[in-house]
Amino acid sequence: DTEVTQTPKHLVMGMTNKKSLKCEQHMGHRAMYWYKQKAKKPPELMFVYSYEKLSINESVPSRFSPECPNSSLLNLHLHALQPEDSALYLCASSQEAWTVWGYEQYFGPGTRLTVT
Amino acid sequence: EDKVVQSPLSLVVHEGDTVTLNCSYEVTNFRSLLWYKQEKKAPTFLFMLTSSGIEKKSGRLSSILDKKELFSILNITATQTGDSAIYLCAVVIQGKSTFGDGTTLTVKP
Repeated sequence: DTEVTQTPKHLVMGMTNKKSLKCEQHMGHRAMYWYKQKAKKPPELMFVYSYEKLSINESVPSRFSPECPNSSLLNLHLHALQPEDSALYLCASSQEAWTVWGYEQYFGPGTRLTVT
Repeated sequence: EDKVVQSPLSLVVHEGDTVTLNCSYEVTNFRSLLWYKQEKKAPTFLFMLTSSGIEKKSGRLSSILDKKELFSILNITATQTGDSAIYLCAVVIQGKSTFGDGTTLTVKP
């Protein structure tokens, strides 16, 4: 199984709502990532989890709160978002995050988020 | 600051043409360079390159890395309409990938 799944596929939320994005992989990968992708732009890294610990936070505003309950699951909790946060949120996983040779990432299909 | 630059930004060709996409980088602590293809949704992995001068091939796609000149190329021969996509280059540094802006390839019938 080389699949990364994400739910929901689409999400529309108001600026006062609280919602969560979910990501799951069953490849035994020990690194998981959240990316944000705006239209016609490359993915921008938000967070990296390695062995269930947050290892990189790319200065993401606190209205985005990641959580890694176990090695297969990654959540992104959203609260008080702004319209400019509307984007495609991609989850990815890789075997490891810190290796001599680098790693390939497997991406989920993404959650299309619209903040109204 | 780490930088990954892809060229051209967009390209329109006809079926059967051969294309070469470029990725140059200026980073510290280089680990590897990866190519991804992105259609409507998530990027899908194509190649990972860690050693200079060794070509990776998969069907009509091939890629090579030059660590001395700090660039990689992705070649697609006998292009098909299904090759239309955004091709992303990413450089892995310590624990994270930095992506280029991508090359949008359109293959016309």
